[in-house]
Order: sequence, then structure tokens, then C-alpha cells
Amino acid sequence: EPEVTQTPSHQVTQMGQEVILRCVPISNHLYFYWYRQILGQKVEFLVSFYNNEISEKSEIFDDQFSVERPDGSNFTLKIRSTKLEDSAMYFCASSEARDNEQFFGPGTRLTVL
Amino acid sequence: GQNIDQPTEMTATEGAIVQINCTYQTSGFNGLFWYQQHAGEAPTFLSYNVLDGLEEKGRFSSFLSRSKGYSYLLLKELQMKDSASYLCAVRGNDMRFGAGTRLTVKP
Repeated sequence: EPEVTQTPSHQVTQMGQEVILRCVPISNHLYFYWYRQILGQKVEFLVSFYNNEISEKSEIFDDQFSVERPDGSNFTLKIRSTKLEDSAMYFCASSEARDNEQFFGPGTRLTVL
Repeated sequence: GQNIDQPTEMTATEGAIVQINCTYQTSGFNGLFWYQQHAGEAPTFLSYNVLDGLEEKGRFSSFLSRSKGYSYLLLKELQMKDSASYLCAVRGNDMRFGAGTRLTVKP
């Protein structure tokens, strides 16, 4: 069964450093998403991406964040200058259509020291 | 404002039925989703409602009333492996998740 994959599973970085989180969505899906979940808190929407551009973004997705689809399979989230409060689990998800169910990847646990 | 409310915790007995409620106020409505999330894992899709009424899928059913901004997830014949958090999510202008209901199934 096709699945969303994410790398790395765990990333440790120093405050102020840039990180890139990588995702491979399900191949026939057209909509891609990033979410974050701070430990013990709810899943929070960051951004959705369709047709090579951002379609929606939340108030959390400020100028330190960017997304890219560098090739036909990868979907990346870049955090330019990490802060302690960026420590969270970051989930990538994809769906066939905008309002269809989203399939989540296993997540990348980001720890900012 | 946008708000999704669900109980924080529930406990039920193996073999029983449990109903997890969700109320919402969102900008726009394009569907309500229920996800299951085991500790330390990703959410997995359970059900989707866009029209009023009941959707049944094996041991899981989900109900929606758009006029009341209300949904519930019904789990029947509870098993120990059903112990998890259950997340209500609404697709409006974006996708918003509730804080989740942590269900504990006891023998």
C-alpha cells in the first residue's frame, strides 16, 4: 500500500541553524501539507501546496518557513533560523484532492538546542 | 473565530461502545474528519463526513450535523488496541484539528 515517507526521523539542531525536512508524498496525490505537533499538544496546520505553489498557510507559517517541491517526488519544509520553540514533531501529509482524506507520514521529530 | 472542542479524556471497557463528541465553529466547511493517533505515531484516517447523517465503516461510525456544528465518532466492540487519541478535524479554509480525546480501554 502506498505511503508517505519522511526523512530524517529525528533531527537535532542548534538554535539559529537552518533545517530542511523532507517528504515523499504518495505518487498520484496532488495536494501536500505540513503540520506540526508540539509534544502533548494538538496537530497544527502549517501550509498546503498544490500545483507548485502555496494554496493555504496558517499564522504559524511566517517568513522563517518555506516549502518547495524540488523535483517530481520530494516535498520539503525549510526552517531558516530555528528557535527553541520550533521543537516539535513535523508531519507531512498528502491527498488526492483538496477535500479528500489526508494520509500522514511518520513524522520528523525536530529538537532545537 | 475558529474552535473545535472535544472531551480531553474518556475511559471505556473492552467490548463496550463509546461515543466521542466534537463541536466546531470554523470559517467555511468542506468536511469533517476523524483520525486516530497512537502515542508517538502519526494520525491515521478513520472517517469523513461532508453531508448530514451517519457514515458506517466496520466498528467505527461517524455522524455529522452541519446546522448544529456537531459530530460524533462511535466505536463499537471496543478492543484494547483502540486505546489512542481520537482527533476531530474540520476542513474549512484550511484544516483545523481539535486537541484530541484520549481514550483508554480497560479490560
